[in-house]
Parts: sequence; C-alpha cells; structure tokens
Amino acid sequence: GAVVSQHPSWVICKSGTSVKIECRSLDFQATTMFWYRQFPKQSLMLMATSNEGSKATYEQGVEKDKFLINHASLTLSTLTVTSAHPEDSSFYICSARDQGTGEETQYFGPGTRLLVL
Amino acid sequence: GDSVTQMEGPVTLSEEAFLTINCTYTATGYPSLFWYVQYPGEGLQLLLKATKADDKGSNKGFEATYRKETTSFHLEKGSVQVSDSAVYFCALSDPGGGGADGLTFGKGTHLIIQP
Repeated sequence: GAVVSQHPSWVICKSGTSVKIECRSLDFQATTMFWYRQFPKQSLMLMATSNEGSKATYEQGVEKDKFLINHASLTLSTLTVTSAHPEDSSFYICSARDQGTGEETQYFGPGTRLLVL
Repeated sequence: GDSVTQMEGPVTLSEEAFLTINCTYTATGYPSLFWYVQYPGEGLQLLLKATKADDKGSNKGFEATYRKETTSFHLEKGSVQVSDSAVYFCALSDPGGGGADGLTFGKGTHLIIQP
C-alpha cells in the first residue's frame, strides 16, 4: 500500500518549452501533496505544498508563476515547469500524505529527472 | 529555520559490521523525526520514525532514538548486509514551528556495504 507514482520518469526538453509532471497516489487519497527538488549530491528542498481544491503554498524563493501546481483531485497533483531553462534541470520528487490515517508520514514518488537543453 | 545535519558519505563498511549514521537537528517547534532510505533507482521509502522525545523507531533491524537533550536521531544497525547499501536521509517535520508543512531533509548519507 501507499504507493505514489510519477510520470514521466525523465524528460528532455528545449529551452523555452513547458513541461508537466504528474504525481499520483495509487491506493490512497491525499488532500496534501508536496513537491521537492533535488540537486546532485544535495538534499531534497521543499518547493511547495499542494492542497486539493485550493492554491498551492510556495516556499520562499520559489517562483509560483514558473512552477505551476494543480491539485484537482484527491489522487493527482501536477507540476508544470513553464518556459523551462537549463537552470531548471533537476530531479523533481513528489510526496503525498494518506489522509485516511491522519499520520504525518509522507510517501514519495520515484522522481522525475528533467534536462533542459 | 529548521535544519538537519547528517554525516556525509560515502560510508563504506564490511558485511556484518555495526552501523551508525549521525543526525542532529534544529527546530523551532516539537518536530517528528524520520529516516528515509533510497535504494538505487527507486524512490524514498520511510525506514522508521519517532514523534516525541525518547521514542525509539525501529524497522528491518535499524533503530533510532529521539534524543531531545542532544537534538539527535542517530541511525544504528547491529549487523549490516550488502542489501542495506543505499542512501539514507534524516528528516524532520515541524508543522507547529510556524514553518513549512513539508519535510526538512539532511543531505543524505551514501552507505556502501562490501561482502
């Protein structure tokens, strides 16, 4: 149980294009999902908290107009990197909390590697 | 703000050796503490957690005790196996501290177990 998937697992795009990453909770409902970014040999940094049916909460320094988050259902959150540039190349990881348990534990997706040329 | 500091790797041990990975934290509230493990090519998996002082989390032979007095949550295992080779992340959740609702992670420790 508590499986989170991400799609795609990796993507290469040209500078200036937009890329959408999906995060799904496969066997539980998640009112709250999180998006993290991980640089090589660095820690995971929280980018934003995605709440079903409401606007996402972004961390300081994260551009909300560049990283669009939509959480339209209890099992799906999407992150769209708009007008991507090479500096946006990174490993993006989502996580979700199982609202049925009420616990703080977050379950993580396998990540999406983005390379912007 | 909150932060997590863990020993940097890689840490290389022989099979059946004793393992300790140090983790210390700073937090404004009363955090819950976690260890996550990332096996090659896979996503992060929760290894164990502790939600209050003196709690001990344990799983798969790994243990960690929430020490408020030393703000630490060191990961230990008595006898490691080759299959334990992975990257281990210490993390905290501090929603009552007024900060983010997500997790604050350490940089991760790459553990390599040699047969």
